[in-house]
Amino acid sequence: DGGITQSPKYLFRKEGQNVTLSCEQNLNHDAMYWYRQDPGQGLRLIYYSQIVNDFQKGDIAEGYSVSREKKESFPLTVTSAQKNPTAFYLCASSSGAHEQYFGPGTRLTVT
Amino acid sequence: GQNIDQPTEMTATEGAIVQINCTYQTSGFNGLFWYQQHAGEAPTFLSYNVLDGLEEKGRFSSFLSRSKGYSYLLLKELQMKDSASYLCAVRDGQAGTALIFGKGTTLSVSS
Repeated sequence: DGGITQSPKYLFRKEGQNVTLSCEQNLNHDAMYWYRQDPGQGLRLIYYSQIVNDFQKGDIAEGYSVSREKKESFPLTVTSAQKNPTAFYLCASSSGAHEQYFGPGTRLTVT
Repeated sequence: GQNIDQPTEMTATEGAIVQINCTYQTSGFNGLFWYQQHAGEAPTFLSYNVLDGLEEKGRFSSFLSRSKGYSYLLLKELQMKDSASYLCAVRDGQAGTALIFGKGTTLSVSS
């Protein structure tokens, strides 16, 4: 079955620790994206990648980092520099200009 | 700047028709998407408009007027399972194929 997987579904971390969220897709999509969603808010773009070994900052990239070494994978690291890391993180992928498909999301809680 | 506006909440009854409006101001325009998101889940794609006019897909239709920066999502024969958030998203072309999302409209359907 083709799709996007994110793991884990729930993640808890202590303040000051870096944490990496996984995103894998087997849809053969070139483009991948990371969004953040806070309660009552829409999705805000963190980083996106149109092609392997290339990625661009979105609107709220500060305190986050990404890599795109393989077409299938686009991990997101939430660093200790991110002031408000607790949120619902969604990964998506698309084939060119077509619609984006979303993974199930990771709910990160930092205390 | 970029701005996407939608009503925060709407209510309707089973069997009725509801129209969710979306207005946008972006520096470029390269398509408008509607997504449905149930609480705690990932968004799922509903419709895509890039040219003016109405796109119909079963109980769901979406309309676009590029000159007015306006779109609406029309849901007919409402069912309880249609209770969800509806997200309007625009691709402005400046961030490649990434999307700019509105804050979403929470629709509650009652019997």
